[in-house]
Amino acid sequence: DTGVSQNPRHKITKRGQNVTFRCDPISEHNRLYWYRQTLGQGPEFLTYFQNEAQLEKSRLLSDRFSAERPKGSFSTLEIQRTEQGDSAMYLCASTPAGLYNEQFFGPGTRLTVL
Amino acid sequence: QQQVKQSPQSLIVQKGGISIINCAYENTAFDYFPWYQQFPGKGPALLIAIRPDVSEKKEGRFTISFNKSAKQFSLHIMDSQPGDSATYFCAAKKAGANNLFFGTGTRLTVIP
Repeated sequence: DTGVSQNPRHKITKRGQNVTFRCDPISEHNRLYWYRQTLGQGPEFLTYFQNEAQLEKSRLLSDRFSAERPKGSFSTLEIQRTEQGDSAMYLCASTPAGLYNEQFFGPGTRLTVL
Repeated sequence: QQQVKQSPQSLIVQKGGISIINCAYENTAFDYFPWYQQFPGKGPALLIAIRPDVSEKKEGRFTISFNKSAKQFSLHIMDSQPGDSATYFCAAKKAGANNLFFGTGTRLTVIP
């Protein structure tokens, strides 16, 4: 499968714990995005990378959230001191160089904070 | 504030019928309007997209109609099939920006 992959697919954690998600974009896609989707809503933008540089962050990305993309390949999204309001589907998308608009989404990581 | 407003929230259509989902926007800086299809437990998949310089785009059974003056666009699914049952999201993106603004989704059910 050459699509965007995300791990884990599901994560259950207790409030106050830290969690980390991983996204592997489609090979040679230089743009990578993180979105959050809550039940019954459309995805909301969190942050954007071009290669290894994090170029844009949404106001939704509080200081408990941090994202990295070392070497411009896979990306990680970490949430520290999780809260019940963080429960959502976290989606990763990527775009190839030369195609400015099209974003290809992964299957997402569903986070449940108890 | 919802940048893209989508309706209806849910839609039930008979097999073979036409499904129509509508979206509206206010920001004239938007210049790219995709539609995504999402099945339960899956990420959104790009279905079809349009730029504002055309009024219609058709790909197979899926057609986007775009009305620039009214700032509205819609998805038409012809000959709807049970396999089309999914949640559909419209979205919009500003020229030069990186993020998509999504509508709230329409849950389509096609009954045999």
